Amino acid sequence: NAGVTQTPKFRILKIGQSMTLQCTQDMNHNYMYWYRQDPGMGLKLIYYSVGAGITDKGEVPNGYNVSRSTTEDFPLRLELAAPSQTSVYFCASSYSKGGGNTGELFFGEGSRLTVL
Amino acid sequence: TQLLEQSPQFLSIQEGENLTVYCNSSSVFSSLQWYRQEPGEGPVLLVTVVTGGEVKKLKRLTFQFGDARKDSSLHITAAQPGDTGLYLCAGAYNQGGKLIFGQGTELSVKP
Repeated sequence: NAGVTQTPKFRILKIGQSMTLQCTQDMNHNYMYWYRQDPGMGLKLIYYSVGAGITDKGEVPNGYNVSRSTTEDFPLRLELAAPSQTSVYFCASSYSKGGGNTGELFFGEGSRLTVL
Repeated sequence: TQLLEQSPQFLSIQEGENLTVYCNSSSVFSSLQWYRQEPGEGPVLLVTVVTGGEVKKLKRLTFQFGDARKDSSLHITAAQPGDTGLYLCAGAYNQGGKLIFGQGTELSVKP
């Protein structure tokens, strides 16, 4: 079972460059999330989606964009990379029934991004 | 801003000792989850609690949800080196809502 797959695992960017972190899940989950993890800061929510065509901002959305054209894919776009975006990025998915409790999050292995 | 305060941030103990990790908020949770993360991997769910006062046990781990659903604790009995990792609590403030994570507790259990 693939679960949640993120690519690339590692990337070094120069300031001002753009890139897309890919995320795909094969569990038919309706919810998908992007988090960033910095030392001592836990996980901060960047963007999330409750279904295809629907996205919403999380706690730290500035400098990022997302789209959700299919249930399976939820790419994260960095338009003008800045050193402050150096972090480990995690994509996650979950299944939540309408009106039910938030389901278990299944995480990818992470993408380590360095901006120099 | 909704905040989840987790304490302690770091914990280094000897094998066989007991420990407790706390997760607190000023707001009421609809549900709360605990995750464990190992280096180079994504977090993995340990437990979900949804009812005030609820206690759940997972082998040597005991999870408690506060009566008012504003706080939670994780107690590990007789810690082992295999328990080493980052423990994260995550709360949802409404049913089906997005999860907000605490800062994490980095646990190191020395043989």
